[in-house]
Formats: sequence, C-alpha cells, structure tokens
Amino acid sequence: QQQVKQSPQSLIVQKGGISIINCAYENTAFDYFPWYQQFPGKGPALLIAIRPDVSEKKEGRFTISFNKSAKQFSLHIMDSQPGDSATYFCAARFISNFGNEKLTFGTGTRLTIIP
Amino acid sequence: EAGVAQSPRYKIIEKRQSVAFWCNPISGHATLYWYQQILGQGPKLLIQFQNNGVVDDSQLPKDRFSAERLKGVDSTLKIQPAKLEDSAVYLCASSLRRGVEPGAGANVLTFGAGSRLTVL
Repeated sequence: QQQVKQSPQSLIVQKGGISIINCAYENTAFDYFPWYQQFPGKGPALLIAIRPDVSEKKEGRFTISFNKSAKQFSLHIMDSQPGDSATYFCAARFISNFGNEKLTFGTGTRLTIIP
Repeated sequence: EAGVAQSPRYKIIEKRQSVAFWCNPISGHATLYWYQQILGQGPKLLIQFQNNGVVDDSQLPKDRFSAERLKGVDSTLKIQPAKLEDSAVYLCASSLRRGVEPGAGANVLTFGAGSRLTVL
C-alpha cells in the first residue's frame, strides 16, 4: 500500500515533443506528490510538486496533472529539450502520527530527448 | 550555499568485507536521511535522523547496517559484512526540519551525489 508505481521505465522523445510519465498510488493518506529529476552521477533534485486538492500545476515547461479519484498523477514536459534527458522519479509523502515525513519513490523513468 | 557532501564517491569491496560512507549535510539542516538506490529502482529510505537522534530506521537491515550522527551534524553509514545485494548507490539527504503539517508544502530534501558501492 506504500508503493508508487511508475511507467514507462524508459522513454525516448524527439526534441520539441511532449514527454509524459505516469504514476499511480494506493494509499489515500499520501498528501503531497513531488517529482524529482536525477542526472547521471548526481543526486535527485526536486523539480515540481502538487497537493491532491489541486488538479494541475504548471511551472514553465513542466506540468503535473493529478487525478485524485483514479489515484494517478503524471508529469508532462512540453517542448522537450536534450537538456531534459535524465531519470525522473515520482514520489508520494506520508506523514506519520508522530509528525514524521516519509517519501516513497517510484521506480524511475529514464528520459532521452533526441535531436 | 554548499550542498550535501558525501564520500567516497565510489567503493569496490568483496563480499563479507566492511565499508563506511560519510555525509556532511547542509549547514543548519536538522534532519538527515540515508537512502539506498539500487540500479533501476527509486531511492529507498534506510534511516532518518533528527539532530543526533534516530527518527525512523524501520527499513535498515540492522544485522549488517549501522548509522550514527553523533554531534548532530556529520553522519556515517556502515555495512558489515557486505553482501552482493548491497551493491547500490547510497544517497545522503538533508532538510531544514523534520516534518510538516498534512497538506502543507514540501520539507524539501537536498540530496548529495551519492556513494556508489560495488560488492564482488
């Protein structure tokens, strides 16, 4: 129930195209859904995040779409650029009774943008 | 602001040997995390510290893994003895505070570059 399922495992998109990565969860106690971007040899870095009371959040070329009833959320990268080539992780946050914040990560999507 | 520092970046050992990883979090960050990232998987939390106390170590294999944060700043993660399945990148992260109210914004985690362990 603590899992976050992510797809696809890898994705190749042409420059200028739209990249779409999907995630699904089961635990309705998750209350915050961040996306992390990881370049080779680097740690993950927070890219964009959304709360479940919002259906969409946009920051520049990056948009999260959230479907609370379906327990699914997705990352859309518009006008994809070669510099967007990285591994993307969705995550979900759970806050325990002790106020402790815990992130569960998806398995990651390796995105490659080709010229 | 300096990032999260980790060392060594790479380590190759044989099974049953021991290894230690070091992490220096961002100055002023009270919370420190160790994650294990196996190839092709997302990071998995091993242990979380609040200052020098353990908040969550429920997924730490305590028969072989140990971690400490004695002065509430630097932290060391040790594996003894190592198994083949411990081959992974060990990520350290830090954040300003421990948690937030449900529905509030992120307590942003800043990750280090990781320490890649290969067990032969």
